[in-house]
Amino acid sequence: GAVVSQHPSRVICKSGTSVKIECRSLDFQATTMFWYRQFPKKSLMLMATSNEGSKATYEQGVEKDKFLINHASLTLSTLTVTSAHPEDSSFYICSARVFDGGEQYFGPGTRLTVT
Amino acid sequence: AQKITQTQPGMFVQEKEAVTLDCTYDTSDPSYGLFWYKQPSSGEMIFLIYQGSYDQQNATEGRYSLNFQKARKSANLVISASQLGDSAMYFCAMREANTGNQFYFGTGTSLTVIP
Repeated sequence: GAVVSQHPSRVICKSGTSVKIECRSLDFQATTMFWYRQFPKKSLMLMATSNEGSKATYEQGVEKDKFLINHASLTLSTLTVTSAHPEDSSFYICSARVFDGGEQYFGPGTRLTVT
Repeated sequence: AQKITQTQPGMFVQEKEAVTLDCTYDTSDPSYGLFWYKQPSSGEMIFLIYQGSYDQQNATEGRYSLNFQKARKSANLVISASQLGDSAMYFCAMREANTGNQFYFGTGTSLTVIP
């Protein structure tokens, strides 16, 4: 099956710094990528949807200026958590889709800890 | 209203026994898909099984089967011959055609297989 990778898998950063998470589709071109956030023992919450070459669409309550999403190519999307705070600590999962209605593949997730 | 409802926060099953994880959904879209994912402690979302709204037969994938009752809007996952490695969180999800194929996830069920 198709593979989606995320890098890094774990990151620890200090409060006030920014951290970038990469999501790559390894063997297919993803027209749409999704970013989810998951708190411990909770469900996945969609943060934003990004289409290659256009601005991301954020879900209600998600701060655009805090969670910067860039989908510069058909195989790469990045999520940058700016000025991170301890409450941003979470598990972030990306997902990639080939076309509207097509299969959607999930990355392995990135565990962010802000100290 | 919740799009996906999983009413069992935790379930236990004896090894080699079968277990049913409940999932009900809410949609007015005639075209939708239902998914089950397994999330072990590593965090990766593992696709298990898919059922389309127009599929006449219940989906099966190895030890996984989906009990699709369209009139009742339920899509329960049945795991037969449980193995210790089945211990994980299980998420039911739905994708509707009329909402841009966005995924809606349930709150998950934590399954523990007892030796």
